[in-house]
Amino acid sequence: LAKTTQPISMDSYEGQEVNITCSHNNIATNDYITWYQQFPSQGPRFIIQGYKTKVTNEVASLFIPADRKSSTLSLPRVSLSDTAVYYCLVGDGGGSYIPTFGRGTSLIVHP
Amino acid sequence: NAGVTQTPKFQVLKTGQSMTLQCAQDMNHNSMYWYRQDPGMGLRLIYYSASEGTTDKGEVPNGYNVSRLNKREFSLRLESAAPSQTSVYFCASSTTTPKLDGYTFGSGTRLTVV
Repeated sequence: LAKTTQPISMDSYEGQEVNITCSHNNIATNDYITWYQQFPSQGPRFIIQGYKTKVTNEVASLFIPADRKSSTLSLPRVSLSDTAVYYCLVGDGGGSYIPTFGRGTSLIVHP
Repeated sequence: NAGVTQTPKFQVLKTGQSMTLQCAQDMNHNSMYWYRQDPGMGLRLIYYSASEGTTDKGEVPNGYNVSRLNKREFSLRLESAAPSQTSVYFCASSTTTPKLDGYTFGSGTRLTVV
């Protein structure tokens, strides 16, 4: 099971780009990298997922280097509403996979 | 499309009381999970059910029991509540997918044990 490491907290200001890096040195060949976002008083929700290179959607971008031992979630031009906890998950979702969300990265966006 | 529904949303219990947290999903998901979230501790898995008829312990199962009543419903029971069980409880369900993008969470139950 791939162990992930991400910063506990980050601070930013409105309009800035935020990059949150997740380390997963023992990622397996079949593993995907997935990020979830949790707003205060809500459950986490899926925001982006990738296997290699770069993925972009309306919420964020995900950069994955060739060795796949880390990944970076990029939030362009953050606003106050991006204040949330961000979780990095790595796994293949197979029968033995247990979703471990851990502490995530608490992002606070300041005015 | 309700997704994952948890009841109740809030509950206050006295030490030693029992209660059952209810969770139901309408997405035909095979797997269901119960997490607790404490300040600064992130989400910790209590129990999960990979499929109807099976349940397994997670990271912090002590003091809890679960029942997978059918494919839709997965309940969490506190037999004798303790102040250490004061927390926000989240139920989740998922499809079996390698992409890990299929986890859907309920809105949580905020439990206070006094």
